[in-house]
Amino acid sequence: DSGVTQTPKHLITATGQRVTLRCSPRSGDLSVYWYQQSLDQGLQFLIQYYNGEERAKGNILERFSAQQFPDLHSELNLSSLELGDSALYFCASSPGGRSSYNEQFFGPGTRLTVL
Amino acid sequence: AQTVTQSQPEMSVQEAETVTLSCTYDTSESDYYLFWYKQPPSRQMILVIRQEAYKQQNATENRFSVNFQKAAKSFSLKISDSQLGDAAMYFCAYDGNEKLTFGTGTRLTIIP
Repeated sequence: DSGVTQTPKHLITATGQRVTLRCSPRSGDLSVYWYQQSLDQGLQFLIQYYNGEERAKGNILERFSAQQFPDLHSELNLSSLELGDSALYFCASSPGGRSSYNEQFFGPGTRLTVL
Repeated sequence: AQTVTQSQPEMSVQEAETVTLSCTYDTSESDYYLFWYKQPPSRQMILVIRQEAYKQQNATENRFSVNFQKAAKSFSLKISDSQLGDAAMYFCAYDGNEKLTFGTGTRLTIIP
């Protein structure tokens, strides 16, 4: 158990809908990262927040947005869902803003299925 | 942009034998970190080993070791005395600017 929690574990929805994925980092960690893993692919970095502020942005679609709240939990919002958005979405956390100095701890992931 | 390449989509090894997984990367930076992550069927991402680019000594964690060739931009993972529990997808990852760039993975099968 990494100490990072993600809810829900599974999510099934229809095209065009909007969903919210939630992540709680390990106690004391200030950075939260979101990754997308499509079927049998490597993880693609989406976005990073550090202490409530956006720190780095990767291949995140405009239909997707995220935020980190004062209690440091983070939410990833996915809207106008398409079939291709079906994937495993991971959240990771680390103590500081520079991940190279701090190991990223991964949550168990949320499996999103868009029908 | 940094890229990470794993040229072996699948590998298999007899239990108790040694296997080496390959990884190459492309970067113009001199200071960075490299990682190997394991993803078993549970899909949990588990850090196996990490290497700091400024350290010439290859990292070792029990049965896992790396062969880091900075000039060649190569970072292979050696698993000794393979066990059934080592069966998983293995991802090589690069970290140079606060985000991880992953390779496409190598699926490792352990033959009893």
